[in-house]
Amino acid sequence: IAGITQAPTSQILAAGRRMTLRCTQDMRHNAMYWYRQDLGLGLRLIHYSNTAGTTGKGEVPDGYSVSRANTDDFPLTLASAVPSQTSVYFCASRGSGSTGELFFGEGSRLTVL
Amino acid sequence: AQSVAQPEDQVNVAEGNPLTVKCTYSVSGNPYLFWYVQYPNRGLQFLLKYITGDNLVKGSYGFEAEFNKSQTSFHLKKPSALVSDSALYFCAVRDDSSASKIIFGSGTRLSIRP
Repeated sequence: IAGITQAPTSQILAAGRRMTLRCTQDMRHNAMYWYRQDLGLGLRLIHYSNTAGTTGKGEVPDGYSVSRANTDDFPLTLASAVPSQTSVYFCASRGSGSTGELFFGEGSRLTVL
Repeated sequence: AQSVAQPEDQVNVAEGNPLTVKCTYSVSGNPYLFWYVQYPNRGLQFLLKYITGDNLVKGSYGFEAEFNKSQTSFHLKKPSALVSDSALYFCAVRDDSSASKIIFGSGTRLSIRP
């Protein structure tokens, strides 16, 4: 089934550890996004990528990094996790054309202790 | 910079009654506006979008939204609510003059009582 796959589904992590959230899409979409969802704050954009080889900062990029080596994969890395990064993380890709809607993965729930 | 406001954290409606979920936005260029729905422990699903043209946009599951440029609003509506409409709803905006940033509101929880 075409779509976006995120891994892991859920993870508990000690503060200070490095963590990479994986995101893979098979729709050949150029643009991809990472959001975090927190109660009362909605979704906040962390980083985005318009096409393979390019990335950009969103609303809350500090403490996170991304790479886009190819069209399909868009991993999000927390170099040294902190408790405030406890959240649900969603990866998304944008449909064809500049006005396309987003397609979301099922999310990765991260708890930093 | 673009922004989105959803002024109501929760909306409660009786089944069969009309519903409205409010959204206002701020962009520097022309807005591309979207509504998404989220069911528990799931990712967001696209409902509808406004890009240009008719101010009333129709989408999935009987939902529609009205674009009002003078009030910078894009309220989500449905003439007759169903219990199954209960979910979290998000408004989102993209500024056509910026890069690919798509910004979401804080979400509104819609609760439909039987």
